Amino acid sequence: QSALTQPASVSGSPGQAITISCTGTSSDVGDYNYVSWYQQHPGKAPKLMIYEVSNRPSGVSNRFSGSKSGNTASLTISGLQAEDEADYFCISYTRTSIPGVFGGGTRLTVL
Amino acid sequence: EVQLLESGGGLVQPGGSLRLSCAASAFTFNNYAMSWVRQAPGKGLEWVSAIGATGITTSYADSVRGRFTISRDNSENTLYLQMNSLRAEDTAVYYCAKDRGEYSFGSFDYWGPGILVTVSS
Repeated sequence: QSALTQPASVSGSPGQAITISCTGTSSDVGDYNYVSWYQQHPGKAPKLMIYEVSNRPSGVSNRFSGSKSGNTASLTISGLQAEDEADYFCISYTRTSIPGVFGGGTRLTVL
Repeated sequence: EVQLLESGGGLVQPGGSLRLSCAASAFTFNNYAMSWVRQAPGKGLEWVSAIGATGITTSYADSVRGRFTISRDNSENTLYLQMNSLRAEDTAVYYCAKDRGEYSFGSFDYWGPGILVTVSS
């Protein structure tokens, strides 16, 4: 089962916007609108930030948004805050790797 | 408030077995798919296994298929993961996760705190 491809790290200054990409294939990201994004702080359980490509759960800041184009999904965080510093993981449903695959994760550093 | 609490982890020798449990509360358990997700020390997340709301549909990652069995008791609001023939590479924190719907598509809106499984001699 091949993991989705995410950049290992991204960084940004407070107030800026950053985008994290999640690249898969036509068997996963490209074929389904079941892409989710999770935020994980050290020692904590992951937290759902985006589901079904672009939907935000109740309680998640509208600074977080998701999109997809072809085989690549993206998470954008606008108005960066210190508390956004964390690891971010994408996941996609897939027909070839049941039940699904995570990306390798991206460490976000707020400078 | 929705709560998920894992139990049953610990230290086990290679080739041994463990059974993880996840006690769920404050939601209608039999309406939602559930999954086990693990994270090896310092590594990323791996979706290990999923089970539909009724318990009929199950799925497994290639890395555990044939060794792990997921099940649920909807009368007791509990999710299980029976882990056999454990290997060193199964060492990880195991999370119980609730999906948003009756089938699992990876949208886990609630997670347990996780429980550590260590496979070592």
